[in-house]
Amino acid sequence: KAGVTQTPRYLIKTRGQQVTLSCSPISGHRSVSWYQQTPGQGLQFLFEYFSETQRNKGNFPGRFSGRQFSNSRSEMNVSTLELGDSALYLCASSGQGSYNEQFFGPGTRLTVL
Amino acid sequence: DQQVKQNSPSLSVQEGRISILNCDYTNSMFDYFLWYKKYPAEGPTFLISISSIKDKNEDGRFTVFLNKSAKHLSLHIVPSQPGDSAVYFCAASETGTASKLTFGTGTRLQVTL
Repeated sequence: KAGVTQTPRYLIKTRGQQVTLSCSPISGHRSVSWYQQTPGQGLQFLFEYFSETQRNKGNFPGRFSGRQFSNSRSEMNVSTLELGDSALYLCASSGQGSYNEQFFGPGTRLTVL
Repeated sequence: DQQVKQNSPSLSVQEGRISILNCDYTNSMFDYFLWYKKYPAEGPTFLISISSIKDKNEDGRFTVFLNKSAKHLSLHIVPSQPGDSAVYFCAASETGTASKLTFGTGTRLQVTL
């Protein structure tokens, strides 16, 4: 079974631009979560999508948004990029059930100049 | 407010010995705990989990212990192998939000020959 895939793996943008990152979950997984990893803040939860609906949301500004498609693939968008948005963005998918491990993709390394 | 804390940023252990990684949490609503291993430039890899109804869970060389009264969990790796060298993250979730993980800051484990 293929794992979680994320594209692109690396991205360089300038301040003020916007960016869209993509995530394809493990086949059969309907939940997709996004995390941001930075040296200062560690791994922080952004949001989770399940069956095309945002189910949980972390404490990030509205510049961070996401969506999920009917095939469970998900995208996250960051508008008006700031230098502090430079981070590794990780996507994770999980199956149904109350307790299900999340399986992470390799991440997208975003650098904002 | 760091709800999940890993107070040891690094740990060095000899091959064949036991590695013990510790994690403390403050949120009483957490009821599911996980350990992930992360190599550079890769996403976290799930290792082992435990729900709050248990105090121990084993999987091969990995054992997780949960002390709910102390709000403390630990990961034991026996015997430690050089391939175990990585950053280990403790994570937790609340009831009904299994896909919203709160991560600790990580402990870098180095297993020496």
